[in-house]
Amino acid sequence: GQNIDQPTEMTATEGAIVQINCTYQTSGFNGLFWYQQHAGEAPTFLSYNVLDGLEEKGRFSSFLSRSKGYSYLLLKELQMKDSASYLCAVRDSNYQLIWGAGTKLIIKP
Amino acid sequence: ETGVTQTPRHLVMGMTNKKSLKCEQHLGHNAMYWYKQSAKKPLELMFVYNFKEQTENNSVPSRFSPECPNSSHLFLHLHTLQPEDSALYLCASSQAGEGGPGEQYFGPGTRLTVT
Repeated sequence: GQNIDQPTEMTATEGAIVQINCTYQTSGFNGLFWYQQHAGEAPTFLSYNVLDGLEEKGRFSSFLSRSKGYSYLLLKELQMKDSASYLCAVRDSNYQLIWGAGTKLIIKP
Repeated sequence: ETGVTQTPRHLVMGMTNKKSLKCEQHLGHNAMYWYKQSAKKPLELMFVYNFKEQTENNSVPSRFSPECPNSSHLFLHLHTLQPEDSALYLCASSQAGEGGPGEQYFGPGTRLTVT
């Protein structure tokens, strides 16, 4: 079966750095996505990785290792507004997205 | 503003009712999706439409019936639902097949409660 694993919940301090991990086992691989979802709102697209390495976008970076079936989302200079759920999703060989259950990130002052 | 709108935002219905959820995308995309989101569970893909043709139906019960009259509009018709169908129903759109990530843009969702 296809599976995406990510921690259920993480806590970090305002101004710090946090890394949210995602491991996957899917039928084929055609890219990995990270989305942010604030409570009661729609998921919004954060980043996309299809080749190994690091993609940086402002305070957010996403890393991919296809050989290890592993990705992480790195958030720097945390702000209170970063409190949200972060969803990892992998596009499989049928070009459908397989989703993780999301990581709820709590930022404390 | 994500460019994808959904109505209604909240819906309470009895198990014998018939209702419809509406989604509209203003992004010129060629693919649209219905998802179910339950607490602490991964997003469940229900239906996919590419160029108005349904290409995916992930073993969804027949009490859910999708309709895609054109590339901008998507409906989910509901009838004789069960309490376990209570969830957040999300619509999304994307531009498929032209290179690039083809990321999905989501609407705000309809919070459905079945009593």
